[in-house]
Amino acid sequence: EAQVTQNPRYLITVTGKKLTVTCSQNMNHEYMSWYRQDPGLGLRQIYYSMNVEVTDKGDVPEGYKVSRKEKRNFPLILESPSPNQTSLYFCATQSGSGTGELFFGEGSRLTVL
Amino acid sequence: AQSVAQPEDQVNVAEGNPLTVKCTYSVSGNPYLFWYVQYPNRGLQFLLKYITGDNLVKGSYGFEAEFNKSQTSFHLKKPSALVSDSALYFCAVRDHMYSGGGADGLTFGKGTHLIIQP
Repeated sequence: EAQVTQNPRYLITVTGKKLTVTCSQNMNHEYMSWYRQDPGLGLRQIYYSMNVEVTDKGDVPEGYKVSRKEKRNFPLILESPSPNQTSLYFCATQSGSGTGELFFGEGSRLTVL
Repeated sequence: AQSVAQPEDQVNVAEGNPLTVKCTYSVSGNPYLFWYVQYPNRGLQFLLKYITGDNLVKGSYGFEAEFNKSQTSFHLKKPSALVSDSALYFCAVRDHMYSGGGADGLTFGKGTHLIIQP
């Protein structure tokens, strides 16, 4: 079964404590992306990756890092989380064509106190 | 810059009635248009897309959407609503000029809550 798996699904942390949200896909897609969803703002792209070792900033990259050392994994790193990063985060993959649809993970709800 | 507008934050429809969720877009070139649905505590799921060809596209769960180039719209429709259709719906657009480089350049609308009343 095609899957995009995110962990953790829920996390409460404190300001400044580094955390990583993992994302793994089994569809062998080259493209992966991270979004955050906030009420009234829809989905905004944080970072994306076109392939291994190729990453680029999306619309709201400040405060986040990513890495793509292997095709299946695309972790999102918050080096020093702040309360304005409290949000619902989604990882997504897509087949190589620009006409393809996105496949989303189930989401990770992060609260930064 | 490209953009997507979903003018209604919420749409209320009685079960069995037809439903429409509106979406308008703005791109420089030709658009690739998508609809996604999000059920509570779940990720987004793909419903349908318009790339080229027939302006009326059919998708999952009985949904369809009509591409109207002159009105730059891509409204989502269903002839008879079900209570289980209640969810958050997102329209998204990508300018075809981005397609050659890969899969970035996708812009989402803010979402429309669809509420189907029994």
